[in-house]
Amino acid sequence: EVQLVESGGDLVQPGGSLRLSCAASGFSLSSYWMSWVRHAPGKGLEWVANIKQDGSEKNYMDSVKGRFTISRDNTKNSLYLQMNNLRADDTAVYFCVRDRGGGSYRTFDSWGQGTPVTVSS
Amino acid sequence: DVVLTQSPLSLPVTLGQAASISCRSSQSLVFIDGNAYLNWFQQRPGQSPRRLIYKVSNRDSGVPDRFSGSGSGTDFTLKISRVEAEDVGVYYCMQGTHWPPYTFGQGTKLEIK
Repeated sequence: EVQLVESGGDLVQPGGSLRLSCAASGFSLSSYWMSWVRHAPGKGLEWVANIKQDGSEKNYMDSVKGRFTISRDNTKNSLYLQMNNLRADDTAVYFCVRDRGGGSYRTFDSWGQGTPVTVSS
Repeated sequence: DVVLTQSPLSLPVTLGQAASISCRSSQSLVFIDGNAYLNWFQQRPGQSPRRLIYKVSNRDSGVPDRFSGSGSGTDFTLKISRVEAEDVGVYYCMQGTHWPPYTFGQGTKLEIK
């Protein structure tokens, strides 16, 4: 069974940093693109970033470019999101998502339970 | 970026009645391979999103057959033939044709009248 378990969410002050982690099990992480998607309070779902199987390609939404960094460690079956210079509008639940973007599916087929990030003074 | 516009945004439905959600794209979602990569997700209260439909009309394993997807080009629809209490939640369309970025519709909140 595919499982994605996020951790690392917390309350942080504006301008602060946070590192989210996602532990994958039930499949080989190295075979898939992976994404982070967020859900801000009262708003819809928003794709944040994704990373290719070997880490050679990364993409970001415009508002997080230069502040967030996605990375992975396939030997540990883990995905990460380093978030720097956090702003109030980054407040959201962050989901780790298995991304089928590179193939003939171009979809998200498994989601974690999410980890909450609150940016507030 | 591709903009997906859902309607309605709020959908009160009587149990056992049919429901329909529209998703319109700002540009064609047909990829160079001829497929349209339009997905539908359900997010029940307090839960993670769950995919219901991929590539317009392909239902995921375990999804009841009362859910169906249709459409082409820029216009897509999710239909629920007979709404049940467990269908309450927010429904999102999402396009995977033109990424990055992947984009979602605003969401449609389905509630029971």
